[in-house]
Amino acid sequence: GAVVSQHPSRVICKSGTSVKIECRSLDFQATTMFWYRQFPKQSLMLMATSNEGSKATYEQGVEKDKFLINHASLTLSTLTVTSAHPEDSSFYICSASLRGGFYNEQFFGPGTRLTVL
Amino acid sequence: AQSVAQPEDQVNVAEGNPLTVKCTYSVSGNPYLFWYVQYPNRGLQFLLKYITGDNLVKGSYGFEAEFNKSQTSFHLKKPSALVSDSALYFCAVRDLLERGSTLGRLYFGRGTQLTVWP
Repeated sequence: GAVVSQHPSRVICKSGTSVKIECRSLDFQATTMFWYRQFPKQSLMLMATSNEGSKATYEQGVEKDKFLINHASLTLSTLTVTSAHPEDSSFYICSASLRGGFYNEQFFGPGTRLTVL
Repeated sequence: AQSVAQPEDQVNVAEGNPLTVKCTYSVSGNPYLFWYVQYPNRGLQFLLKYITGDNLVKGSYGFEAEFNKSQTSFHLKKPSALVSDSALYFCAVRDLLERGSTLGRLYFGRGTQLTVWP
């Protein structure tokens, strides 16, 4: 149980286009989903916290107009990278917390490798 | 402020030898501690966690970690390393006093690359 999927696993796009990444909790309801960005051989940088039915909370320095997050249901959150630039190339990982309970741990998706040409 | 430190970028051990990956933390309240492992181009896999109780926590794949409150440490250990344990290891902490819209967020260390030589 507690499986999180991401789609696509890899995406290559041209500079200036938009890319949508999906994060799904397959067998549980996720009240909260988190979006991270990871550069090569570096730690995960939290981009935003997404609560179902409300606006995402973005970390300082993350442009909310560039990285659009939607958490429309208890099993799906999406991250849209708008007007992508080569510097947006990175590994994006989502995680999801089970609904209910205070000690909920996060379950991580397999990640999406974005390459912007 | 909440933070996690993994002082070693790399740890190298021979197969069959014990391994330790170090982690220290800083939180305002009581810590909720985790270890995760990441293989190349993959997401994070959960190894173990500590909330309360016995200071020695046993997890997946033979790993264990010891919580030391006085030293604010949560070192990851394994008695006998395997080549297949080679991966990137992350320590993370959640502050149980944190509330609001970011409830549940984790603070990660920078990661330690473990290499086990055959």
